[in-house]
Amino acid sequence: SQQGEEDPQALSIQEGENATMNCSYKTSINNLQWYRQNSGRGLVHLILIRSNEREKHSGRLRVTLDTSKKSSSLLITASRAADTASYFCATDNGNQFYFGTGTSLTVIP
Amino acid sequence: DTEVTQTPKHLVMGMTNKKSLKCEQHMGHRAMYWYKQKAKKPPELMFVYSYEKLSINESVPSRFSPECPNSSLLNLHLHALQPEDSALYLCASSQDNWVADSQETQYFGPGTRLLVL
Repeated sequence: SQQGEEDPQALSIQEGENATMNCSYKTSINNLQWYRQNSGRGLVHLILIRSNEREKHSGRLRVTLDTSKKSSSLLITASRAADTASYFCATDNGNQFYFGTGTSLTVIP
Repeated sequence: DTEVTQTPKHLVMGMTNKKSLKCEQHMGHRAMYWYKQKAKKPPELMFVYSYEKLSINESVPSRFSPECPNSSLLNLHLHALQPEDSALYLCASSQDNWVADSQETQYFGPGTRLLVL
């Protein structure tokens, strides 16, 4: 069964706005990663947050992790049209590696 | 070179055909992966090779047969596929197997879009 579920499934915003997407998972994890996928292409790693970390930043990306709620969020600030893509969280519990269901982000110029 | 390459980009095959997908990386990574991705769905892990040995097979049907000829190459041999096997097949690599080191970042190729008629 799927380990991670993301919401919203789809998100449409204006360029310059912030985009927030959430990931919830079922079992305890070693770390959580976020990947981006442009339409029908390979995935690109964005950021990794360890289970003992609560927040991490990388450029315009901010990731939070709440292990007590088994959830993570990805915030993209000052969005650009080039950020249009699908975003997946991925969890690793030492035995299995799962991608979440994904959020499709559209940034309107 | 931080690229994972996959060939072909597109493949159309009949249910009686035999074909192969190829993946190559020159980053010195010792773990390589095959994923299957249906439209609007997340990638699903199929196989993991670690140090050229198959370490994980996620209950994939035998009509899919992986092969790792050397540390840079990964093949996926296809035989007697079904129309429901049509999907984007993604290859990825990482420095080490995520089971050995849970902080591994995977680098993905662009994928092969497969259509089974």
